[in-house]
Amino acid sequence: AQRVTQPEKLLSVFKGAPVELKCNYSYSGSPELFWYVQYSRQRLQLLLRHISRESIKGFTADLNKGETSFHLKKPFAQEEDSAMYYCALNPGGATNKLIFGTGTLLAVQP
Amino acid sequence: KAGVTQTPRYLIKTRGQQVTLSCSPISGHRSVSWYQQTPGQGLQFLFEYFSETQRNKGNFPGRFSGRQFSNSRSEMNVSTLELGDSALYLCASSLGTGAEKLFFGSGTQLSVL
Repeated sequence: AQRVTQPEKLLSVFKGAPVELKCNYSYSGSPELFWYVQYSRQRLQLLLRHISRESIKGFTADLNKGETSFHLKKPFAQEEDSAMYYCALNPGGATNKLIFGTGTLLAVQP
Repeated sequence: KAGVTQTPRYLIKTRGQQVTLSCSPISGHRSVSWYQQTPGQGLQFLFEYFSETQRNKGNFPGRFSGRQFSNSRSEMNVSTLELGDSALYLCASSLGTGAEKLFFGSGTQLSVL
């Protein structure tokens, strides 16, 4: 079964602390993995995708096929990082279908 | 460049009624996807359209249907509404298909009484 698991509903850290949002997936093929973010009163938007191997707003994520994980990391959290973060899986092929995790609310305390 | 536009923003219906939601994608985008978001189930894929053809469908009953017009605008319809259909319905558009970056609308909040 295709599934994305985000084990933490809420992650609270202090400003300047490192952040790691966990994401594990279950899929037998070669998926594309994404992180989407929703800031307060804003639309859901793409943060990064694994095939781009880029860093956006200081965030990075590495696909670990052995552990079937795609954790999101940032070395120093900022208050403006507070948002809802969703990990999502695209099963590949000619489709934009996404399977979302349940999301993790990141709260960065001053 | 205007973003994805969804109308109406809010809807209140009663059980048994039907409802139509509308989505206008970003200009030039040919793919439109629909998602249902609820506190209990999170974000769930409904269906995806590209060039007026349904490319993919999620695990929802036949009461949920959709279509896409030649100008890429899309509508989704829910017939015989149930209380459990109360949700935020999100539309997303992209240029093409194949793990593209999705641009989401603000959603239509449907309440079924």
